[in-house]
Amino acid sequence: DAGVTQSPTHLIKTRGQQVTLRCSPKSGHDTVSWYQQALGQGPQFIFQYYEEEERQRGNFPDRFSGHQFPNYSSELNVNALLLGDSALYLCASSFSREAFFGQGTRLTVV
Amino acid sequence: SQKIEQNSEALNIQEGKTATLTCNYTNYSPAYLQWYRQDPGRGPVFLLLIRENEKEKRKERLKVTFDTTLKQSLFHITASQPADSATYLCALDKDYGGSQGNLIFGKGTKLSVKP
Repeated sequence: DAGVTQSPTHLIKTRGQQVTLRCSPKSGHDTVSWYQQALGQGPQFIFQYYEEEERQRGNFPDRFSGHQFPNYSSELNVNALLLGDSALYLCASSFSREAFFGQGTRLTVV
Repeated sequence: SQKIEQNSEALNIQEGKTATLTCNYTNYSPAYLQWYRQDPGRGPVFLLLIRENEKEKRKERLKVTFDTTLKQSLFHITASQPADSATYLCALDKDYGGSQGNLIFGKGTKLSVKP
């Protein structure tokens, strides 16, 4: 079992650009959540997808959007990037209560 | 608004001792509380989960307590080893119809175990 895989691992973008991050959940997991983790902080919940629908959303602007595909994989899109969007973006999949996290995508906005 | 605090940003202890990490929360009544370990540049790894009606949970050298009156959880690592050095995150689990809801994380406590 490959666990949760995220791509790419690192990314550098320019302010104002758009970015798409990808996540493949652990086998058998149908729920995918996305988190943003700034340096020295705990992860902050962005949104959660279940059965291809956004089920819950945290306090993030509409520039952050997502999608879940029939195979449960997911994408996180961020438009009009700001310098403050620089962070580690974590994908977590779950079937019951515990969350399995990927290694994250380190996004740097310059 | 909901607030979760881990009392120490950093904790340094000697190998073999027991590490005790504290997690306090306000304005919330979580159905579950979870603890994760995070190594630098990696995603968090699930360690333990405790339900609101449980007082204590153990797994090998790990022990978690949950006091809903004090709104506090304690995380203990007994017989600590240098390999236990990492950041430990506490998370409130907002139940969503019986499934895992969004996790509200603390900032974490960085534990360093010296040989």
